[in-house]
This record gives sequence, C-alpha cells and structure tokens, in this order.
Amino acid sequence: DSGVTQTPKHLITATGQRVTLRCSPRSGDLSVYWYQQSLDQGLQFLIHYYNGEERAKGNILERFSAQQFPDLHSELNLSSLELGDSALYFCASSVDAYGEAFFGQGTRLTVV
Amino acid sequence: ELKVEQNPLFLSMQEGKNYTIYCNYSTTSDRLYWYRQDPGKSLESLFVLLSNGAVKQEGRLMASLDTKARLSTLHITAAVHDLSATYFCAVEGRGSTLGRLYFGRGTQLTVWP
Repeated sequence: DSGVTQTPKHLITATGQRVTLRCSPRSGDLSVYWYQQSLDQGLQFLIHYYNGEERAKGNILERFSAQQFPDLHSELNLSSLELGDSALYFCASSVDAYGEAFFGQGTRLTVV
Repeated sequence: ELKVEQNPLFLSMQEGKNYTIYCNYSTTSDRLYWYRQDPGKSLESLFVLLSNGAVKQEGRLMASLDTKARLSTLHITAAVHDLSATYFCAVEGRGSTLGRLYFGRGTQLTVWP
C-alpha cells in the first residue's frame, strides 16, 4: 500500500456525463499528480499541483479540470464524457515539487 | 518534449533465464525511475536512479543508469514466474516540467516454467 488513496475504484457512466475522481495523498506529501493510462496512449501526465497551486499541465483536455484543496486532497473533474475517455486514472503524490512519486490504486473509468 | 523508448515491448522468457530491458530517453534528466505494474493494478516503485553510473539491486532485478548515453537498463537474473508483470521506465522532467514523469510504453514480461 503506497498510502495514496483514490476513490472510487471503478466508475461506469454514460457519454455526456460528468464525474469527479478523488485523491488523498500520502501524509506529509505536498504534490499531487494525475496520470491517465490507456491502451493506445500509454501513461500520460495530466496535471500537477503543489501545495494547492497548479504547477504544470500536460495534455489535459479542456473538458477536464482539477484542483487541490487546503487539506491537500485533490479532485479531477471530467465532463462531457466521451467513449475515448475510458481509461485508468492514477493519482500520485510526492513530498516535494519533484522526486519520487507514489501511485494510488487508480480509478477505472468506463464510459458507455 | 522528452521522449522515452523502452524495448522490448513484449518479453517471454523461461524461468531461470537472464534478460535485459532497455530504456532510452531523449534529453537530460536528473532522475529515472523503474516501476512495476500487475494487470489492472497500481504502479509499484522499484528503483530510483539519480546519478551517472548508479546501480541498484533488489532480489533478481538490477537497474543501472548511464546519463551520458541517456540509457538505463533493468536486468533480470534467473527469472521466476512471480516477476511476470509490466515494467515501466519513467524519466523526470527538468525546469518547467520538474516533477512530471515521462513514461515509456512498458515491457510486458511473461515468465514461463
């Protein structure tokens, strides 16, 4: 167990809907990262938050947004869902704004 | 953008054999990571390599880093079935991409009796 908690583990939803994925980092970690894993794209970086502020954005769609709250947990919001958004979404955390990241168990999103 | 190439992508090997997975990356980085992933599961951190010539070993796995060649290797010694998994190499960005990991496509390893 990495100490990073993601909920829910599985999510099935219809096209056009909106979902929220939640991540609690390891105790003491200030950074939260979101990654998407799909068969065709592999593991892709989405966004990085450090101590409540956005640090970097990757290839994150405009339909996706995220935030990190004062208690350091993070949420990834996915809206107007499409079939192609089906993937495993990982959250990772690290102590600082760089360095070794520990991954959560992931949320498997299926859009039908 | 930093590119990471792993090969082979698929590796089927007999128990007891040795093999090496290669990871090449396109631009300078200060940190390289190896992760293991079982099907549908999380990524488990195996090694963190920080400097040129770094070598780390854990059980039957040994990782090394050559920053001049921008190459890391993951060597498997006397493979056993429990090593069957997908192994990812990830390189950390620098500057404005510090903290961001760039992943290879992964090497799916199957060890058979």
